[in-house]
Amino acid sequence: EVQLVESGGGLVKPGGSLRLSCAASGFTFSSYSMNWVRQAPGKGLEWVSSISSSSSYIYYADSVKGRFTISRDNAKNSLYLQMNSLRAEDTAVYYCAREAMVNYYYYMDVWGKGTTVTVSS
Amino acid sequence: DIQMTQSPSSLSASVGDRVTITCRASQSISSYLNWYQQKPGKAPKLLIYAASSLQSGVPSRFSGSGSGTDFTLTISSLQPEDFATYYCQQSYSTFTFGPGTKVDIK
Repeated sequence: EVQLVESGGGLVKPGGSLRLSCAASGFTFSSYSMNWVRQAPGKGLEWVSSISSSSSYIYYADSVKGRFTISRDNAKNSLYLQMNSLRAEDTAVYYCAREAMVNYYYYMDVWGKGTTVTVSS
Repeated sequence: DIQMTQSPSSLSASVGDRVTITCRASQSISSYLNWYQQKPGKAPKLLIYAASSLQSGVPSRFSGSGSGTDFTLTISSLQPEDFATYYCQQSYSTFTFGPGTKVDIK
């Protein structure tokens, strides 16, 4: 079964750091680009960051650029998000999502259940 | 950056109704448009990719159309399990989601 399982969420104070992990199984992880997407309480979806299969290409939303770092370990079938200088507005459920591509059309076809990050003093 | 808008932001419909949701991009994105369904407390689910391609396993009552800047998601006959929030997403330049359209029971 194709599966993504996020972990590492929790309560952190403003200015603090947190590292999220996403464990992949049931597919060849090293063949896919991966993404982090977040959803603040009661709000819509916001794309956060993408990383290509070999980590050659990395992209961030402006809202997290310079504070968050995406990375992956293909040997461990794992995706990470290092979050520094956290703000209250980073409070959200964080999802990892697999990026599929057909004829150069890109979409997110597999999602984890999410992990909750709360930034509060 | 490419901005996405959706209309309406919410709608009330009955089982069996035909439902149409519109998504607009701030610039032309060709057919780089995806649709997702999300139910409360759950992860999003891919419905349509490349504007009109139905994801495997998704019922045929869902369809997508459009290109350039204007896109439509249609549910031909609304079923009880379709009450959810629907998001469009552009993939022309990284990713951007629309604000969502909540479909609830009339």
